[in-house]
Amino acid sequence: QKEVEQDPGPLSVPEGAIVSLNCTYSNSAFQYFMWYRQYSRKGPELLMYTYSSGNKEDGRFTAQVDKSSKYISLFIRDSQPSDSATYLCAMSLMDTGRRALTFGSGTRLQVQP
Amino acid sequence: DGGITQSPKYLFRKEGQNVTLSCEQNLNHDAMYWYRQDPGQGLRLIYYSQIVNDFQKGDIAEGYSVSREKKESFPLTVTSAQKNPTAFYLCASMARGLETQYFGPGTRLLVL
Repeated sequence: QKEVEQDPGPLSVPEGAIVSLNCTYSNSAFQYFMWYRQYSRKGPELLMYTYSSGNKEDGRFTAQVDKSSKYISLFIRDSQPSDSATYLCAMSLMDTGRRALTFGSGTRLQVQP
Repeated sequence: DGGITQSPKYLFRKEGQNVTLSCEQNLNHDAMYWYRQDPGQGLRLIYYSQIVNDFQKGDIAEGYSVSREKKESFPLTVTSAQKNPTAFYLCASMARGLETQYFGPGTRLLVL
């Protein structure tokens, strides 16, 4: 079983829809949670960063973390064709060692105009 | 503009050849990372370095080598021992005290 599970999609929605992207994880020690957006053949771009549980909002994007369920979500409101990309969740431990991220495999989103 | 640069964008490797991928950052970040991305598998950690002149193996280090002689630079060599090198290679950096990583544009390595 992977440490971080993410549905690969593709997820296809019409323009203007609300999109929900999710990841589950098995390691309860994860403390930092991130969402990255990756366009085809480009490097990932950091979208949202959350520490521990709770919600965080930035424009059309809302990140939610439920540590009790080991479940994180990214919501995109009023989705646009330019949101079409692969969305990667990532998380890390609160350790001073390698400080590396553990990634989900990514969900491909297609927003149809 | 601060950021991370990777070169080349595309790289072709012949059988038995070593190739080196460049990664440079001007963000003054202490830590640097190399990931490999294959379709459907997400990003896997190859090597990382927290400070100059020190680096550690990640989860899939076999067939790769790195150096960290300068804070700004973290080149990755894909050796002939790496039997399946075709992938998208991503370099990242992270500042001390933060837990978010910033990525370069990537290098796509193909085998001839």
